[in-house]
Amino acid sequence: GAVVSQHPSWVICKSGTSVKIECRSLDFQATTMFWYRQFPKQSLMLMATSNEGSKATYEQGVEKDKFLINHASLTLSTLTVTSAHPEDSSFYICSATPRAAEVGQYFGPGTRLTVT
Amino acid sequence: AQKVTQAQTEISVVEKEDVTLDCVYETRDTTYYLFWYKQPPSGELVFLIRRNSFDEQNEISGRYSWNFQKSTSSFNFTITASQVVDSAVYFCALTQLITQGGSEKLVFGKGTKLTVNP
Repeated sequence: GAVVSQHPSWVICKSGTSVKIECRSLDFQATTMFWYRQFPKQSLMLMATSNEGSKATYEQGVEKDKFLINHASLTLSTLTVTSAHPEDSSFYICSATPRAAEVGQYFGPGTRLTVT
Repeated sequence: AQKVTQAQTEISVVEKEDVTLDCVYETRDTTYYLFWYKQPPSGELVFLIRRNSFDEQNEISGRYSWNFQKSTSSFNFTITASQVVDSAVYFCALTQLITQGGSEKLVFGKGTKLTVNP
């Protein structure tokens, strides 16, 4: 089956620093990648949709200058949380849609970010 | 706009009991897909099932079964003879088509936390 990896699986950073999270589709080319955010005991909230080679589309209320998304290739998307603050602490999950117009998203294992 | 409602926030059962998780959805699309995912404490989402809007047949996979009823916009999930390992948060999700060719957003319900006690 299709595998999506995320790196790192967890990260602790100091307030004011930036942190980058990578999302890779390991055995397929991903037309589209999605970034979700999940607070404790809450549902997944879509942050943005990214297509390879184009700018990401952000959901309403998500600061695009704070959450930088780059989809440099068909197998890699990155999310950079800039000038992180404690309220950015969350579980970040990416997903990818295969290039072959198949319905469905394959999810990565998630990255737990803690900002101190 | 698409919406998924999982009215049950938490359910607690004793092992071997059957349990049904409810999912009600709203959409104006004629073609759509519904999903169920399991999220154990580790956090990784586990895909359980995908159902398209034209296929109303119920599905059974081992102890899991799904009842899709378009007339009531529901896609309920039943676990038969529950086990402790079934303890997790279960999410129902609905697609929202965003591009031609198949890319679609997923709209998630708020999830139902299932605890199966020994």
